[in-house]
Amino acid sequence: QVQLVQSGTEMKKPGASVKVSCKASGYTFTTYGIGWMRQAPGQGLEWMGWISAYNGDTNYAQNLQGRVTMTTDTSTSTAYMELRSLRSDDTAVYFCARSLGPGGRFDPWGQGTLVTVSS
Amino acid sequence: QSVLTQPPSVSAAPGQKVTISCSGSISNIGSNYVSWYQQLPGTAPKLLIYDNDKRPSGIPDRFSGSKSGTSATLGITGLQTGDEADYYCDTWDSSLRTGMFGGGTKLTVL
Repeated sequence: QVQLVQSGTEMKKPGASVKVSCKASGYTFTTYGIGWMRQAPGQGLEWMGWISAYNGDTNYAQNLQGRVTMTTDTSTSTAYMELRSLRSDDTAVYFCARSLGPGGRFDPWGQGTLVTVSS
Repeated sequence: QSVLTQPPSVSAAPGQKVTISCSGSISNIGSNYVSWYQQLPGTAPKLLIYDNDKRPSGIPDRFSGSKSGTSATLGITGLQTGDEADYYCDTWDSSLRTGMFGGGTKLTVL
C-alpha cells in the first residue's frame, strides 16, 4: 500500500537548522510530488510548499521563502524538507503528503515529525 | 488568520446531518478545486473529498462535497461519535501562487 514514513522527533536550538525526511513506498515516486505542511501546537494546518519528484520543481510559501528548501532523492524515494534559522514559533508537527500538484488532494500523509525549538 | 474561512466549531446529535462551509475568493476557491480533510485527535489528516465533490476509495458516502462560486461545503450525514474531529478545506490560490488551508472546524457529536 502507499505509505509515507517520516523521520523522528527533533529538538533544536534557536538559529539551528532541521532536515526532516519522508520515505515513500508502494508507488512510482517520480509520478507524484510531495507537499509539506506543519501544525503548531493547538493550531490549524499551514501549507509550507511542494516539490515535484519528477523534475524537482518547487513552490514555497511566501513567509518561508529563503529559509526552507525541499529536495528529493529518487534513488531512495525520499523527500526532504530543510528549515533554517529556526525560531520558537517554528515549533510544530511537520507532515509530508503525496499529491499530483501543489494545490491539494494530499493523500496519503506521513505520520508527522515533531520539531521543538527551544533554548 | 486564514484566507479560507471556516466556522471554528459545529455540533449535532448522532444520526443527524451537519455541513461545514469554507469561504474564499475568486483567486482560490473560485478558480481551483477544493479538497477536504479529517483530522482525528493526535493523528495525521486524512483526505475525505477531492476535486470539490469526489470521494477517495474507502470513504463512505456519508461524506459529500460541493462548491458554488467562491465557497465550498462539506456535508456529513448519519453522524457517528467517531466523526468527532477537526475538518479542513484546502485549495490553491492562483494569484498568490500558494496552497492554503482553512482555519479548521471542530465537529462535536453531542
